[in-house]
Amino acid sequence: AQKITQTQPGMFVQEKEAVTLDCTYDTSDQSYGLFWYKQPSSGEMIFLIYQGSYDEQNATEGRYSLNFQKARKSANLVISASQLGDSAMYFCAMSSASNTGKLIFGQGTTLQVKP
Amino acid sequence: NAGVTQTPKFQVLKTGQSMTLQCAQDMNHNSMYWYRQDPGMGLRLIYYSASEGTTDKGEVPNGYNVSRLNKREFSLRLESAAPSQTSVYFCASRQNRQLNTEAFFGQGTRLTVV
Repeated sequence: AQKITQTQPGMFVQEKEAVTLDCTYDTSDQSYGLFWYKQPSSGEMIFLIYQGSYDEQNATEGRYSLNFQKARKSANLVISASQLGDSAMYFCAMSSASNTGKLIFGQGTTLQVKP
Repeated sequence: NAGVTQTPKFQVLKTGQSMTLQCAQDMNHNSMYWYRQDPGMGLRLIYYSASEGTTDKGEVPNGYNVSRLNKREFSLRLESAAPSQTSVYFCASRQNRQLNTEAFFGQGTRLTVV
């Protein structure tokens, strides 16, 4: 069975500093995709970044990058130069080849950016 | 450019009442999903539909039924609501089952069962 684990319920970071949000996953598939979503206090779900299991380079999207360590089954989100607007809940998610399109989410990490 | 539209946004039910949460997408997506979000539990998949005419159970299907009415619409029904079903419900859609397609979410339905 596929599983996503986010072990940090809450994190604090100082404005303008970088922060890493942890995500580990469990799957026996060789082909899978990993996603990060942001949920501000307003409640909407915002897609941030995607990493494929066969991608040779770590994904980057502006201030977001994904530290993908396949052997360790981790896909940590790195936010550089944190801004107050980054305060939100962040979810890691996975879709794998054998689960016919299911998209499974972790428990989420709440990030608070301090001025 | 509506994307994924859920109705209603808020609902209060009494224990034992039934209701249907509606979801429609205008992006011509094949796959649609229903999740519930509870504090500390993240988003848990209730049901999903990989394509029109197909539905499959997710992680927490008990107490729910779904209908993929057509390609656009995917409804979630609570036949006899229980307080444990108090939650925020999200509908989502994806272009297809390919691994690199992200999901687009509705604004959520906040359901309270008293």
